[in-house]
Amino acid sequence: AQSVTQPDIHITVSEGASLELRCNYSYGATPYLFWYVQSPGQGLQLLLKYFSGDTLVQGIKGFEAEFKRSQSSFNLRKPSVHWSDAAEYFCAVEWGTSYGKLTFGQGTILTVHP
Amino acid sequence: DAGITQSPRHKVTETGTPVTLRCHQTENHRYMYWYRQDPGHGLRLIHYSYGVKDTDKGEVSDGYSVSRSKTEDFLLTLESATSSQTSVYFCAIRGVQGMGETQYFGPGTRLLVL
Repeated sequence: AQSVTQPDIHITVSEGASLELRCNYSYGATPYLFWYVQSPGQGLQLLLKYFSGDTLVQGIKGFEAEFKRSQSSFNLRKPSVHWSDAAEYFCAVEWGTSYGKLTFGQGTILTVHP
Repeated sequence: DAGITQSPRHKVTETGTPVTLRCHQTENHRYMYWYRQDPGHGLRLIHYSYGVKDTDKGEVSDGYSVSRSKTEDFLLTLESATSSQTSVYFCAIRGVQGMGETQYFGPGTRLLVL
């Protein structure tokens, strides 16, 4: 079965430090790739997505992600983390012709130290 | 705001009782989805709908049924609730908003089965 893996369950960074959250997916048809963020007790908010074209995509809140087909990866980055970025982050993949169904990774909890 | 509401937002029930969760959308989207969220599993697709009376199973459909008799409402029913169905349930629609076509999520329903 097609799968999405976020290898890091929990990451802690200091405010102002750079951040990279990893996401890998199993091989399949051309994927559409997404990153969502969830604050405690809240729903999911879309940060960014990749459908085609430029493999470096910009999102909201200063986040970016890079699609690397050869590595089956779609890592999320931010150059300088703010305390308000503390949340859980989910990578999701839609494989083509799947009625838009998403397969999610397990999530990465981000803690930000002052 | 994706125009998605879920009801109830919180529910406590007892094992063996039927439970119905409602997802309502205001923007006439064709595709609707039900996910459950559990720690360490991310979100997993339960059922989805691609039109009125058109539904199909997702990854974790056992113990759940759905109905969609009109475009705006997608109902998730637990025929006989079990403790393993204690979870947070999210409804989503596929539509076009600020970041283009993707899935947008409702606020979630917290269900506790005693």
